[in-house]
Amino acid sequence: GENVEQHPSTLSVQEGDSAVIKCTYSDSASNYFPWYKQELGKGPQLIIDIRSNVGEKKDQRIAVTLNKTAKHFSLHITETQPEDSAVYFCAGSFGNEKLTFGTGTRLTIIP
Amino acid sequence: DSGVTQTPKHLITATGQRVTLRCSPRSGDLSVYWYQQSLDQGLQFLIQYYNGEERAKGNILERFSAQQFPDLHSELNLSSLELGDSALYFCASTSGTGEKLFFGSGTQLSVL
Repeated sequence: GENVEQHPSTLSVQEGDSAVIKCTYSDSASNYFPWYKQELGKGPQLIIDIRSNVGEKKDQRIAVTLNKTAKHFSLHITETQPEDSAVYFCAGSFGNEKLTFGTGTRLTIIP
Repeated sequence: DSGVTQTPKHLITATGQRVTLRCSPRSGDLSVYWYQQSLDQGLQFLIQYYNGEERAKGNILERFSAQQFPDLHSELNLSSLELGDSALYFCASTSGTGEKLFFGSGTQLSVL
């Protein structure tokens, strides 16, 4: 079925260190995997996405990797900054037109 | 600013009441999605409309309904409200492929 599991639920890292959030999915028909960042009082905002025919994608300090065989994908944030503190959601598109979201990771950057 | 407008930002009402949440999508976007966000269940898909037609349905209660009007704005109607309906309700829009959703700032519904 359409299920996305996300770990960890909370993550604290020192400013300047890297943060990694992982998601797994169960439906092999998944073909699109976006990551959203939600700041306090705001709606989720797309920060990066990857399609199933690509293994890795980078955009400045953030990157996403996808392992189709293992059915998991990860968000990597390097050189973390205080403004990276937020809730991050992974999601998957399972051949239909809706996104199924993970349960979110609250990332806290410690100055 | 995502370009998606949701009103009202906050809504406080009593059990048994009915409310309407409104969403204006980004200019040019034909698809509108509604999601419910509660503390313990993350973002739950409710329903999707495309150019006025219902396209997909998720875990939407029978007490809830939605529609998309000719000008593409959408409304989510919640009736016979219960305490458990208290949540953040988000609207998102996209050009139509189900990818790259742009979310509004949400409506915080509190049922007392």
